[in-house]
Parts: sequence; C-alpha cells; structure tokens
Amino acid sequence: SQELEQSPQSLIVQEGKNLTINCTSSKTLYGLYWYKQKYGEGLIFLMMLQKGGEEKSHEKITAKLDEKKQQSSLHITASQPSHAGIYLCGADIKLGGDSSYKLIFGSGTRLLVRP
Amino acid sequence: SQTIHQWPATLVQPVGSPLSLECTVEGTSNPNLYWYRQAAGRGLQLLFYSVGIGQISSEVPQNLSASRPQDRQFILSSKKLLLSDSGFYLCAWSPDRAKLFFGSGTQLSVL
Repeated sequence: SQELEQSPQSLIVQEGKNLTINCTSSKTLYGLYWYKQKYGEGLIFLMMLQKGGEEKSHEKITAKLDEKKQQSSLHITASQPSHAGIYLCGADIKLGGDSSYKLIFGSGTRLLVRP
Repeated sequence: SQTIHQWPATLVQPVGSPLSLECTVEGTSNPNLYWYRQAAGRGLQLLFYSVGIGQISSEVPQNLSASRPQDRQFILSSKKLLLSDSGFYLCAWSPDRAKLFFGSGTQLSVL
C-alpha cells in the first residue's frame, strides 16, 4: 500500500465551486509539499508545510497540515479552469533511527474544472 | 539562478536495449539529486538519490542503476530494458530539502 494516501483520485467541479484534496499518512510527516502538474508540463512547487497546525495560502489555494503532522489538505476556493491539472502531495518521512529522510509522493489527484 | 536539464524528452527503445538518461544541474554545488518514476496510478516512486559524487542510494530493487560521475550530473541507466521499465522518469534536485525542483521528465516507451 501507499505510504502516502491521496484522495480523491480525480475530481470534476464546476467553475466557481470550492474543492478539497487530502493527503494522509500513518507516519509522522517532517515536511509536506504540494505540487501541481499541468498536462504536458513538469511539476510546479506550490507550498511547503512543516509545523503541526501550519496553514499557508497563495492566491485561491490554501494548504493545511494537522497538529499530528499526519494529514494535509489542499483547498481551492472559487475554482477556475486554470486550476485544472494533477495535484501531488509529497512528504519527508524518516528512515530508521538516524536523521536521514526520504521524499515520497501520493498518487495524485486529477482536477478538471468545467467552465 | 539554478536550472535543471533532463534529456531526452521522449525515448522509444526495444526490449533488451540499453538505457541512459542524463540530468544536469546548473547554478549550484553539491545538490541532493533524485531519480523518480511516475507510474500510472501510483504517483511518484523514488528510484535513487544521491547526496554527493559517487554516493548512490537505491530505494527499490529493479533493472535500473544510477551514477553520479560529477557533482551536478546524475545518470540513470539500464543494461537491458524490460517492458515494465516504461514510464515517465523525473530527475530532481534539492538544495536543502525545503524545496524540490524537477526536470521536465522523460517519457520512456519500451516496445
């Protein structure tokens, strides 16, 4: 099973509607990253969260990390067709007992916004 | 400013042929380098990462290998490609784990 579960897998919303994408792990996340991949293009970094309870916003996109640092949500307000694409969450999880980490990703959420 | 170059953009190779994908980073020194594969429905899977020249860590057993002959060069290779090696491969670099910067990716089709 995936170490980082992302839901939903796909989402179709009407322009102007709000939406939320979730990212969950059974392990503590030491860094949580949100990326967007536009169709046919590379990954674009959106936001990074590190502290429990942290919330960041950029334009109409807000990302939150829960207090336990095991779940993050990405919320888009008043969606527009330009928001369409694949949203990926990524996270740092610890490797064993030392201070090294590895960066893992969720399976992505494909968002389509209908005009 | 830092830039990452990955090539080729697309590649079609027969089963059993060798593979070499190259990734270079400009504008920084001693970056952490990564190779990821994006498989359908499984998101990005970490294949290899490197914290320095000649230092390669492999995440999953597979038909692929990686090398870092120079500080800003990361190469993904295979001696004999399998059908299951098809996918979208992404090279990435990170200065300090705060951000991860990706190359434009290589779409590999093994036929």
